[in-house]
Amino acid sequence: AQKITQTQPGMFVQEKEAVTLDCTYDTSDPSYGLFWYKQPSSGEMIFLIYQGSYDQQNATEGRYSLNFQKARKSANLVISASQLGDSAMYFCAMRGLTTSGTYKYIFGTGTRLKVLA
Amino acid sequence: ETGVTQTPRHLVMGMTNKKSLKCEQHLGHNAMYWYKQSAKKPLELMFVYNFKEQTENNSVPSRFSPECPNSSHLFLHLHTLQPEDSALYLCASSQGGGASTDTQYFGPGTRLTVL
Repeated sequence: AQKITQTQPGMFVQEKEAVTLDCTYDTSDPSYGLFWYKQPSSGEMIFLIYQGSYDQQNATEGRYSLNFQKARKSANLVISASQLGDSAMYFCAMRGLTTSGTYKYIFGTGTRLKVLA
Repeated sequence: ETGVTQTPRHLVMGMTNKKSLKCEQHLGHNAMYWYKQSAKKPLELMFVYNFKEQTENNSVPSRFSPECPNSSHLFLHLHTLQPEDSALYLCASSQGGGASTDTQYFGPGTRLTVL
């Protein structure tokens, strides 16, 4: 079975500091994708970053980087130089397969990040 | 319009009403998804469509009826809902077709309240 686990329900970080949000996953598929999404209080899920299972380098997008450790099955999100606008819910997700062989996405329970001024 | 749009953004309905949620994607994608997000519960996948064909129904009650007339539009028809159906309903789209970099993009959601 495919599963995403986020063990941190809530996190605090001081403005301008870096923060790491944890994500572990479980899958038996040799090929998969890992994603992070941000959900502000408005509700929209905003795509942040993607890591393919065969990618050799860790993904980076601006202040976001994904620390991919395949052997440990972890895909932690690192946000550098936190800003007040980073306060939101963050979801880790994995792309898996439906029973019909098409894609579906499995989400973790989320981590609520609060950036302190 | 760009990205994924959803209408209405907010909806209040009685248990005997019939209403529909609309989702439209302007990304040229071929897969579309409905999710339900209730307070303090994980995101729940409801339906998946690929090239207008339904490929996943995650044991959703029949009071929710999806419709995908083309790859750009997705509807969720609602009838005789229960108060526990109150939630944020999110639509998403992705490239589909087995692309190895397939990535979901979400709409802003419809916040539904059932009285």
